[in-house]
Amino acid sequence: DTAVSQTPKYLVTQMGNDKSIKCEQNLGHDTMYWYKQDSKKFLKIMFSYNNKELIINETVPNRFSPKSPDKAHLNLHINSLELGDSAVYFCASSQESRGLEDTQYFGPGTRLTVL
Amino acid sequence: QKEVEQNSGPLSVPEGAIASLNCTYSDRGSQSFFWYRQYSGKSPELIMFIYSNGDKEDGRFTAQLNKASQYVSLLIRDSQPSDSATYLCAVNIGLLSTGNQFYFGTGTSLTVIP
Repeated sequence: DTAVSQTPKYLVTQMGNDKSIKCEQNLGHDTMYWYKQDSKKFLKIMFSYNNKELIINETVPNRFSPKSPDKAHLNLHINSLELGDSAVYFCASSQESRGLEDTQYFGPGTRLTVL
Repeated sequence: QKEVEQNSGPLSVPEGAIASLNCTYSDRGSQSFFWYRQYSGKSPELIMFIYSNGDKEDGRFTAQLNKASQYVSLLIRDSQPSDSATYLCAVNIGLLSTGNQFYFGTGTSLTVIP
């Protein structure tokens, strides 16, 4: 079974559209994250959710909104897509109660291309 | 953004040699440190983590941490062509108010030449 899964794997869309990316983890973890990886391979934290509560919200545009229906799911909704949103988006999860040994497990990524 | 610095490379080593990857971090509150490997088009996968000063070995991999110098490294012994990938350093800055926060470096590209 896949530990952290994302759909879709590829997403090609026009500027101005609204799209969502879904993420699910079956590891029983209590924290989930969204990262953006640009063409230079830099992984930037966007959001994290712990027990359905947003605990990190880095300086991302408010066109991006995370939605967590339960602790196994963290979806990313993007409004009014722009060319600069093109990137690979990774979902990850971790178990914060492990303290210093808390490690992240990543999904396969969603490659978003905005035309 | 908390700074985690890595040489982008590319770093090339011959097969069988030791590859040395370095990482520095700016936040002294960093508590644990991670090395991930990322193959092209794939997601990052954890190699190992360390949170105590000194060395930690796992198979061909050794992580070294020096908190005073704010420096963490990864040594790969007997490098294989399959080790060719981008290596990402990450730090966890855990805070009571926000929980664990992970920040990544830009990665070092490693090529092992047969």
